[in-house]
Amino acid sequence: GAGVSQSPRYKVAKRGQDVALRCDPISGHVSLFWYQQALGQGPEFLTYFQNEAQLDKSGLPSDRFFAERPEGSVSTLKIQRTQQEDSAVYLCASSPPGQGKVREKLFFGSGTQLSVL
Amino acid sequence: GESVGLHLPTLSVQEGDNSIINCAYSNSASDYFIWYKQESGKGPQFIIDIRSNMDKRQGQRVTVLLNKTVKHLSLQIAATQPGDSAVYFCAENGNYKLSFGAGTTVTVRA
Repeated sequence: GAGVSQSPRYKVAKRGQDVALRCDPISGHVSLFWYQQALGQGPEFLTYFQNEAQLDKSGLPSDRFFAERPEGSVSTLKIQRTQQEDSAVYLCASSPPGQGKVREKLFFGSGTQLSVL
Repeated sequence: GESVGLHLPTLSVQEGDNSIINCAYSNSASDYFIWYKQESGKGPQFIIDIRSNMDKRQGQRVTVLLNKTVKHLSLQIAATQPGDSAVYFCAENGNYKLSFGAGTTVTVRA
């Protein structure tokens, strides 16, 4: 596709359920990021992959959050035992190969809006 | 904590007027800044960037100004159009992480 694709677009979960959010980055993009955006706030960094390697997961709020990108393309963000405070928009972004630091502008998907009841 | 922040959460502007959105940052070592536009239901979209070795950069209808002395940057939109209505974020880009401010919601009045 032409851009970063995320699914589902909306997800409603009961508290305690597990959810899985999918991200299809732009073909050929090496770097992939997950961000969490609470209502009325700017996005907050969660985790970063370069190909299949998860280089930084320092932004994941708790051990209930897990992200993977096993083949260096599609990525899944999994949240176990969801809580109400997990309600947010989860954004995925990718960027193409660059020189040295990953400083290129990111291409964001439209996000998955998660509502935990 | 938050390394970038915006001065005003909302801005209402008459169509055709110029808009100015401000942002302050706290990390004096920050050297790369980006402005993003986020429309309702969409992800942030790159507008323009600037590196710390510059104090001004122009794009199509947009200009970013960087004042490193007071750690302030601004986004100017010329001849604001209805399609410019959105939330605007400034972000500081470290090695790979983006640190976003809370955003300014711009509403364009017809």
